[in-house]
Amino acid sequence: SQKIEQNSEALNIQEGKTATLTCNYTNYSPAYLQWYRQDPGRGPVFLLLIRENEKEKRKERLKVTFDTTLKQSLFHITASQPADSATYLCAGILTGGGNKLTFGTGTQLKVEL
Amino acid sequence: DTAVSQTPKYLVTQMGNDKSIKCEQNLGHDTMYWYKQDSKKFLKIMFSYNNKELIINETVPNRFSPKSPDKAHLNLHINSLELGDSAVYFCASSQGAESTDTQYFGPGTRLTVL
Repeated sequence: SQKIEQNSEALNIQEGKTATLTCNYTNYSPAYLQWYRQDPGRGPVFLLLIRENEKEKRKERLKVTFDTTLKQSLFHITASQPADSATYLCAGILTGGGNKLTFGTGTQLKVEL
Repeated sequence: DTAVSQTPKYLVTQMGNDKSIKCEQNLGHDTMYWYKQDSKKFLKIMFSYNNKELIINETVPNRFSPKSPDKAHLNLHINSLELGDSAVYFCASSQGAESTDTQYFGPGTRLTVL
């Protein structure tokens, strides 16, 4: 079956390091993937959208890559700060899914001083 | 100047009761959504309306009934609440109904069914 999967284990990194989060997709080829940030007790906030023909997309300290060979998208935060601590969700449209976004379960990132 | 607002933020109720959650967006968007996020943080779409018309209706018990009185509002009514309905419900909106349109989420309503 088609899936969008993220590492459910929390990622702890030190302030100033680059955080890398992974989103894998199986049994389908998304035309694009979206990344969202969710803070505790709040709704997700859209960060970036990357299309399958875009290898990389950047926004300030954020960078997203899309590797159709590995069937994955990587989300990087450079020079991470404690304020970057949150859960990051990737989302895409499954084949036959119409316009329905399917979200991964998210990866919790904790940036420590 | 909240973009997408939901009321109430918390809702605690007994099994079997009927309850409603309200959502309003002031972004001028045409499309609104309801999502359910369960205890494992899995976010799943339930419904979507575009210009007050239902366009996405996932496999959701018919105890859940969305209503869109106008483009800016999408309410969710739940009949005969069950324990498994406990979750956080998020409303969202987007300019259009395309899947690439950025979705703006509300703060969520945490529903607890006892």
